Amino acid sequence: AQKITQTQPGMFVQEKEAVTLDCTYDTSDQSYGLFWYKQPSSGEMIFLIYQGSYDEQNATEGRYSLNFQKARKSANLVISASQLGDSAMYFCAMREGRNSGYALNFGKGTSLLVTP
Amino acid sequence: GAVVSQHPSWVICKSGTSVKIECRSLDFQATTMFWYRQFPKQSLMLMATSNEGSKATYEQGVEKDKFLINHASLTLSTLTVTSAHPEDSSFYICSASIGTAGNTIYFGEGSWLTVV
Repeated sequence: AQKITQTQPGMFVQEKEAVTLDCTYDTSDQSYGLFWYKQPSSGEMIFLIYQGSYDEQNATEGRYSLNFQKARKSANLVISASQLGDSAMYFCAMREGRNSGYALNFGKGTSLLVTP
Repeated sequence: GAVVSQHPSWVICKSGTSVKIECRSLDFQATTMFWYRQFPKQSLMLMATSNEGSKATYEQGVEKDKFLINHASLTLSTLTVTSAHPEDSSFYICSASIGTAGNTIYFGEGSWLTVV
């Protein structure tokens, strides 16, 4: 069963506008972590933001914020004031378990295009 | 700067030959590293978990004799694609966690493998 679901294959947003990328997850673990990565055409995976399952506050990192709704099992990424350089693939991922010994499960990704 | 370094970034090899990809953690020790494979326009799929000083744990469907993983030190894991075939052409990328909490996971730059 798919553990991470990203339902938006592609999204458009105008420069300077905000955009929300959806992510829902499925786990029976109480302890887990949620990640968002940006992948430009070069292929590198750029870490954007992390949310722990026990974190009560939504995570924020500059223009990125994570809208964490635990009961709904959603972890949407909000990018504020979009820039042309934000055009890329965005992946939501989950680490089940408590520590660094656990791998990430990735969603299928959302392709974001920022237009002038 | 990069905290996980992967080399080579690009490699072209002939069918039947072997190719080695290195993944290094810079300025930190990584007991566990992970190897992923990504086909064009698809998500990252976990191939194996690389554990320092012990055998790698392979995901179902990944041939361990074909994709040899060695994690000989706390800063280096290698993936060797043996007897490569064109269908092995793909993007391979490694990751490692800083610390044991599992909330800071960085990826290498990735390696594009083309088998001709």
